Amino acid sequence: EVQLVESGGGLVQPGGSLRLSCAASGFTFSDHYIDWVRQAPGKGPEWVGRIRNKARSYSTEYAASVKGRFTLSRDDSKKSLYLQMSSLKSDDTAIYYCVRALPSANWGQGTPVTVSS
Amino acid sequence: DIQMTQSPSSMSASVGDRVTIICRASQDISNSLAWYQQKPGKAPEHLIYSASILQSGVPSRFSGSRSGRDFTLTISSLQPEDFATYYCQQSNSFPLTFGGGTKVDIK
Repeated sequence: EVQLVESGGGLVQPGGSLRLSCAASGFTFSDHYIDWVRQAPGKGPEWVGRIRNKARSYSTEYAASVKGRFTLSRDDSKKSLYLQMSSLKSDDTAIYYCVRALPSANWGQGTPVTVSS
Repeated sequence: DIQMTQSPSSMSASVGDRVTIICRASQDISNSLAWYQQKPGKAPEHLIYSASILQSGVPSRFSGSRSGRDFTLTISSLQPEDFATYYCQQSNSFPLTFGGGTKVDIK
């Protein structure tokens, strides 16, 4: 069974940093691209970024709203994905999901991030 | 960026009704369109990909179609478990984008 489990969310002050993790199991993690998607309270999902696999040089794509502030990385040996978030703003408040490459049936349960003073 | 415009934003329906939700892309996205269902407090669940292909395990009362830049999600006979919010999402080009959602509630 495919599982994606996010962790690392919490309360952070504006301008602060946070690192989210996503642990994968049940599939060959190293073969797959992974996306992060977030959903602000009462809003629809918003794609945040994608990290590709080793065959594609772990290349990344980012939404304009996070480019330059968020960084995706992965450790295939640990079957883990990381989202480093910096210069956080109140607009970044959301539940953050890791997803096995949209369109996808494989979403994590999400981890909440609240940016507030 | 490709904008995905869903209509209606909300609707009330009864069990057994036929429900149609429209998603219009701001430019050609070929068949790169997926549909999701989301219930409160849960992650979205994938229903359809490539505009019309049903994800494994999704009931056959759900169907998808395409006409140019317009995409349709149809529920042939609404069931109690179908009351939820539905989103479309394009995968034709970055940034990947979602529609604004259609909330289906009980009439």
